[in-house]
Amino acid sequence: KNEVEQSPQNLTAQEGEFITINCSYSVGISALHWLQQHPGGGIVSLFMLSSGKKKHGRLIATINIQEKHSSLHITASHPRDSAVYICAVRFIGNEKLTFGTGTRLTIIP
Amino acid sequence: GAGVSQSPRYKVTKRGQDVALRCDPISGHVSLYWYRQALGQGPEFLTYFNYEAQQDKSGLPNDRFSAERPEGSISTLTIQRTEQRDSAMYRCASSLGRYTGELFFGEGSRLTVL
Repeated sequence: KNEVEQSPQNLTAQEGEFITINCSYSVGISALHWLQQHPGGGIVSLFMLSSGKKKHGRLIATINIQEKHSSLHITASHPRDSAVYICAVRFIGNEKLTFGTGTRLTIIP
Repeated sequence: GAGVSQSPRYKVTKRGQDVALRCDPISGHVSLYWYRQALGQGPEFLTYFNYEAQQDKSGLPNDRFSAERPEGSISTLTIQRTEQRDSAMYRCASSLGRYTGELFFGEGSRLTVL
């Protein structure tokens, strides 16, 4: 069964802390996306990964294909990072995206 | 425009009416996806197209839902005989490629069925 699990579901941290959000999936994938959704807002694509690591500003995304696991890291977190972060994968042989349940991140000033 | 455009942004309708939601993807994007998102929930896949061909409609809840993309660009999601449980945010996304390519999401169409 093609499944995507995220952890934690909710995360509250102080401004400046290092944040890690995890995503695990059940079978082989062709691509993994990290998405950001602000309250009441649209969805923005942060990263698309098929291997290795990508960095954009304070955001870092890694993926371990063998372990079927990806992490999204935020360094020097800021209140404006408060949002729901969603992991979505394309399983091999299936072009549609399967979404994780999301991680609600709150950064306290 | 440069992004994915959806219309209407908000639609309030009475139960039993038909609604049509429109998605205008980024020019040249091959793949177009429709998702539905209930309040407080993650997105749920509905259907997707490559060019004008509907590749997978397994996420459409029932036969009241249909979608088309006749010229491989603009797509319309139609819900017939709307029910209150159809109330949700309907999101469209497009990507340049098929199996890969960054996803670009529209701002969504919020449907409320009274």
